[in-house]
Amino acid sequence: ILNVEQSPQSLHVQEGDSTNFTCSFPSSNFYALHWYRWETAKSPEALFVMTLNGDEKKKGRISATLNTKEGYSYLYIKGSQPEDSATYLCALVNYGQNFVFGPGTRLSVLP
Amino acid sequence: DAGVIQSPRHEVTEMGQEVTLRCKPISGHDYLFWYRQTMMRGLELLIYFNNNVPIDDSGMPEDRFSAKMPNASFSTLKIQPSEPRDSAVYFCASSLGRGLGSADQPQHFGDGTRLSIL
Repeated sequence: ILNVEQSPQSLHVQEGDSTNFTCSFPSSNFYALHWYRWETAKSPEALFVMTLNGDEKKKGRISATLNTKEGYSYLYIKGSQPEDSATYLCALVNYGQNFVFGPGTRLSVLP
Repeated sequence: DAGVIQSPRHEVTEMGQEVTLRCKPISGHDYLFWYRQTMMRGLELLIYFNNNVPIDDSGMPEDRFSAKMPNASFSTLKIQPSEPRDSAVYFCASSLGRGLGSADQPQHFGDGTRLSIL
């Protein structure tokens, strides 16, 4: 059974602060890692798909890094804004094409 | 472009009744996924299809659940008979396939069906 963990479970930051959170996963049999942003009352929206060790992707103020050897990915948000408030999910895909989502990190950005 | 379309948005029914959830994937996407979201277990993959063929149904909780994809533009998830513990939000998602299946392609989610079994 694949176990994907995310930390912290939730966090509150002030508008303008930068923040980051972690997705941890078993490094063996890794194929891809997805990050999704999930706003309340909406559906998950894809942010990044990463496959290569050392990968770094960026979309506006949000970026992500990947370390497949040690089994973790970081998501960074620079200069958080209230509209960044959402749950951020990571999902692991292995060579068996199993998709497993982590429990998510709930971010609240206070104005 | 139209996204993934799910219907109904909300369903309230009594225990024992048959429930059918519907999904229309994005045109051209050859992978379709059904997920269930609950407070206790988060987002769980139930089953996924590639080119209308079920590939992995190991997440389907029990025989009361079944899913079909009769053509590239339509899929159903059926629960018969329904039970109160089936109450959850059910999401459908679709993606392109390339290389090693859909692993390196982002999934596009529908708005979900909120199911309540009384």
